[in-house]
Amino acid sequence: AQTVTQSQPEMSVQEAETVTLSCTYDTSESNYYLFWYKQPPSRQMILVIRQEAYKQQNATENRFSVNFQKAAKSFSLKISDSQLGDTAMYFCAFMWTGNQFYFGTGTSLTVIP
Amino acid sequence: DTGVSQDPRHKITKRGQNVTFRCDPISEHNRLYWYRQTLGQGPEFLTYFQNEAQLEKSRLLSDRFSAERPKGSFSTLEIQRTEQGDSAMYLCASSLANYGYTFGSGTRLTVV
Repeated sequence: AQTVTQSQPEMSVQEAETVTLSCTYDTSESNYYLFWYKQPPSRQMILVIRQEAYKQQNATENRFSVNFQKAAKSFSLKISDSQLGDTAMYFCAFMWTGNQFYFGTGTSLTVIP
Repeated sequence: DTGVSQDPRHKITKRGQNVTFRCDPISEHNRLYWYRQTLGQGPEFLTYFQNEAQLEKSRLLSDRFSAERPKGSFSTLEIQRTEQGDSAMYLCASSLANYGYTFGSGTRLTVV
């Protein structure tokens, strides 16, 4: 069974600072995908970043980057130069067959002006 | 194309009534997914279509739930004899094979 754990229910960061959100997962599969999704108060889930497990290089998207440690089954998200618009719930998700996501319980991030 | 559309945005219904939700995926996407999200939790998988074929259903999808995707376009999710435990956000997502996963804004169901 695939499980995803986000151990930080809530986090806060000062505007312009850097914050790291943690995610661990458990799987026996070797080929899979990992994602971070953002869900602002308006509700729509928005893809932040995606990582293929077979790629050793960590994915980056502008101010967002991941630290993917396959052996440790860890997939953390770093947000640099935090902005007020980054305030949202962040979900870590795992997919291996393309049929469904397995989501964590989320981390509520608040960016403080 | 403006993304994945879900209708209605909100639905309040009395316990025991039937409700139906609609999802319009991105037009070129062949896969469509339904998820349920309760307060404080991440979305949980309900079911998945590839074109018009329903290929996978979660144990969460009891016999009161049915989903269809006629002609591989829009999809409907029906809940019969609603219960208070059905209150949740119902999310639809679509993709083209393993790429471009896009979620809709969801339908929030409240059963009173």
